[in-house]
Amino acid sequence: AQSVTQLDSHVSVSEGTPVLLRCNYSSSYSPSLFWYVQHPNKGLQLLLKYTSAATLVKGINGFEAEFKKSETSFHLTKPSAHMSDAAEYFCVGGGNQFYFGTGTSLTVIP
Amino acid sequence: GAGVSQSPRYKVAKRGQDVALRCDPISGHVSLFWYQQALGQGPEFLTYFQNEAQLDKSGLPSDRFFAERPEGSVSTLKIQRTQQEDSAVYLCASSLGSGGRETQYFGPGTRLLVL
Repeated sequence: AQSVTQLDSHVSVSEGTPVLLRCNYSSSYSPSLFWYVQHPNKGLQLLLKYTSAATLVKGINGFEAEFKKSETSFHLTKPSAHMSDAAEYFCVGGGNQFYFGTGTSLTVIP
Repeated sequence: GAGVSQSPRYKVAKRGQDVALRCDPISGHVSLFWYQQALGQGPEFLTYFQNEAQLDKSGLPSDRFFAERPEGSVSTLKIQRTQQEDSAVYLCASSLGSGGRETQYFGPGTRLLVL
C-alpha cells in the first residue's frame, strides 16, 4: 500500500522568506511522488514530479523538492515566498491510483 | 481542447434527484480518473478508466454512484437519489498513459450542492 502524510495543515510565512512544506511517504516500492497546488476556485496544477531520475526535482514558479529515501520524505521548498504562492498544496503518491495528502494551506504575509 | 473541461461547473440538486456530471479529457489521453473533494479535504479517488474500460471503481461510495466512458473519451459520473453527504467538488483528471504513476491533468471541477 502507498500513502502520503502532510505534516502541517497550515503554514504561514512572510513574503520573501523561505517556504517549507513537509511530506512523508510510505511505500513498499519505488514511489512516484507529485506536488500539486490548488488556488481558490481553480483547478489542481502540477508543480513538480519525482520519477527516480534525480532526487532533487525542480518545478514551476521556483519550487523544488528533494526525494530522501532514508527519511521517506519529499518536502517542497522555495527560497523566497511571493504573495501569489498563497494556496493549498497537496503531496500526492502515485501507484495504481493517486493518493492525496490532506493538504497544507500556505499563507503569505505581506 | 487544451485542457480537461468539466460541466456543469456548479450544480444544485434537491435531495433525491439524480445528477450527471460530464468530463471532457485531453484529446488522446488514455486514462481518466474521477475524484471527490469534500470541503477542506484532499481529493479522494472514486474510479479509473483506461480507454472505455473501467478498471477500478473501488472508491465509489455506494451503488448510487455510476460512471461510464463508452467511447473512451468523454466520461459521465452519475449520482442517483442524491443525499446531502454527496455535496462536494467532483474532479476529473486525465493522463496520457495508464496507471497512477503518470502525471494527471485536472479539470476545474463540478461543485455539487445537495439541499
